[in-house]
Amino acid sequence: QSVLTQPPSVSAAPGQKVTISCTGSSSNIENNYVSWYQVLPGTAPKLLIYDNNNRPSGIPDRFSGSKSGTSATLGITGLQTGDEADYYCGTWDSSLSGYVFGSGTRVTVL
Amino acid sequence: EVQLVESGGGLVQPGGSLRLSCVASGFTFSDYFMDWVRQAPGKGLEWVGRIKIRGDSYTTDYAASVKGRFTISRDDSKNSLYLQMNSLRTEDTAVYYCARENWYRFDYWGQGTLVTVSS
Repeated sequence: QSVLTQPPSVSAAPGQKVTISCTGSSSNIENNYVSWYQVLPGTAPKLLIYDNNNRPSGIPDRFSGSKSGTSATLGITGLQTGDEADYYCGTWDSSLSGYVFGSGTRVTVL
Repeated sequence: EVQLVESGGGLVQPGGSLRLSCVASGFTFSDYFMDWVRQAPGKGLEWVGRIKIRGDSYTTDYAASVKGRFTISRDDSKNSLYLQMNSLRTEDTAVYYCARENWYRFDYWGQGTLVTVSS
């Protein structure tokens, strides 16, 4: 059972928007920076968002992140077929003294 | 260009041992914390552990699921990261990734190496 809870799946038509929630607690999300990772089928994870809402170079601005209290959210606008992947939130957990990942959300483009 | 290349995966029997390696290039390896993350078949990402830099006495942290069985080490002269896995269990079967940690985010990942624990 993951420390961070995400919906198992979300879906939308091409061009539409999806949001993925990540719910944690005061020992992780509320007091630490959140990152988001994209795992395309058969590939290594890729950093999408760091420090709650920053994008590494090369990541399009269709991807955005936000945080409020013990929850974080990843948004994807202008959905493309190439966005079909699993998405994970992640952050440090001060109580566990370790990094924790969310349970993962599969994005399907209808 | 930053590159991380893992090796050493394979088939091992329950109770056995295996040592994974990760060779880094394209950045000053000794300046960064390095981590191992795994993904079991059909499952999500799981952090395994990390090793800090020389200035932090190469301190290590581990997930509860592997503490006491796995050991992370590094050789900065060889730009290499290691994961010694002992007392392996079937539930340790996974693709193991090495990742560069940059202020609590993993900004570069290797391609992964598959470890299968089975009799």
